[in-house]
Amino acid sequence: TQLLEQSPQFLSIQEGENLTVYCNSSSVFSSLQWYRQEPGEGPVLLVTVVTGGEVKKLKRLTFQFGDARKDSSLHITAAQPGDTGLYLCAGVGRNYGQNFVFGPGTRLSVLP
Amino acid sequence: DAGITQSPRHKVTETGTPVTLRCHQTENHRYMYWYRQDPGHGLRLIHYSYGVKDTDKGEVSDGYSVSRSKTEDFLLTLESATSSQTSVYFCAISDLRGTGAGYTFGSGTRLTVV
Repeated sequence: TQLLEQSPQFLSIQEGENLTVYCNSSSVFSSLQWYRQEPGEGPVLLVTVVTGGEVKKLKRLTFQFGDARKDSSLHITAAQPGDTGLYLCAGVGRNYGQNFVFGPGTRLSVLP
Repeated sequence: DAGITQSPRHKVTETGTPVTLRCHQTENHRYMYWYRQDPGHGLRLIHYSYGVKDTDKGEVSDGYSVSRSKTEDFLLTLESATSSQTSVYFCAISDLRGTGAGYTFGSGTRLTVV
């Protein structure tokens, strides 16, 4: 049983389209992170959110933390082939101990 | 100039043999982690270290042991490799733990047990 669920599992879109991926849990996070992983490499940290309702923007990427701190979303505007990769969310909180727990990821493919 | 390196990058070994994977960091971070990544499971924590000679188990520690004799090195040992341990192994480092932590990952070791 996954503590963190991510949806969709797979997403294939055309360059220029917008997309949103989701990260959900039944538990409250004290902090949530998003990572992107390219083939053959380790995950790279994109953002950390800690406050319920928080929104952070990183160029064309918008990250939102749910008001109840149980869920998060990542929205990409005008996707580019360079956005292709595995997007992982990771959370830490009272039910997770002091180490981040990772979701299974959303595999995104942006076609030119 | 990667602050964290893993070796080897690829390894094929036979069932029942011992295997040691190495993680080396140049960032002087206190915390080091070993994860395995399998399709459908994401990253699962095997063991972690919060200082020299201070280690603890993660959620999938059975069949694995670790050692940290120096700040910069964290070794993962499979005492007797099994086919279920075929996976990609990632080392990560962080200078903080909990809410303030941000992990830096190595490039991974792809281990195949035949």
